Amino acid sequence: DVKVTQSSRYLVKRTGEKVFLECVQDMDHENMFWYRQDPGLGLRLIYFSYDVKMKEKGDIPEGYSVSREKKERFSLILESASTNQTSMYLCASSLYRGSYNEQFFGPGTRLTVL
Amino acid sequence: EDQVTQSPEALRLQEGESSSLNCSYTVSGLRGLFWYRQDPGKGPEFLFTLYSAGEEKEKERLKATLTKKESFLHITAPKPEDSATYLCAVQALSQTSYDKVIFGPGTSLSVIP
Repeated sequence: DVKVTQSSRYLVKRTGEKVFLECVQDMDHENMFWYRQDPGLGLRLIYFSYDVKMKEKGDIPEGYSVSREKKERFSLILESASTNQTSMYLCASSLYRGSYNEQFFGPGTRLTVL
Repeated sequence: EDQVTQSPEALRLQEGESSSLNCSYTVSGLRGLFWYRQDPGKGPEFLFTLYSAGEEKEKERLKATLTKKESFLHITAPKPEDSATYLCAVQALSQTSYDKVIFGPGTSLSVIP
């Protein structure tokens, strides 16, 4: 079974702090994604990566950056956290770029910015 | 504009009362349609992939079907443990380097004993 793990289940940070969310997948998937999920807005794509050191902006990249130094690890960085970034953050991975394949999700990180 | 909608927003069923959830999509070209189950406070769990109209997939009490404009998730004789939010997602043809995946807002299902 594919396993996607995220570094924290719950995180509380202060406004202005730099926040790192880490995601690791163990099935050699090429694609990795970061989403945020908010009530009434559904899942929104922040960034994705289809290869090491490659990244593409999703629908809401403002205020976020990402890093993919190794194939199995994809990090989301909040450069200066703000209260409107309080949300559930979900990492996902899928097998091949350009093919029609499902995404496998991690358990999520509930981030609260005070 | 590519769009995915789901109905109803919420559904409350008695245990054993069969029903269907709907996912309607408007996309320029369909690569695949995915169903996920999400329990509160957890990440979505993959259920099915459907690729072409007429295709059907089954898993326990769940059956997913696909037409050219919508997909149905049929739940037969549901049990309380089927209570969850069910998400539909569509992978659509895109002009960019990666086919876009669009998630619907979900249907929250409650099965009452």
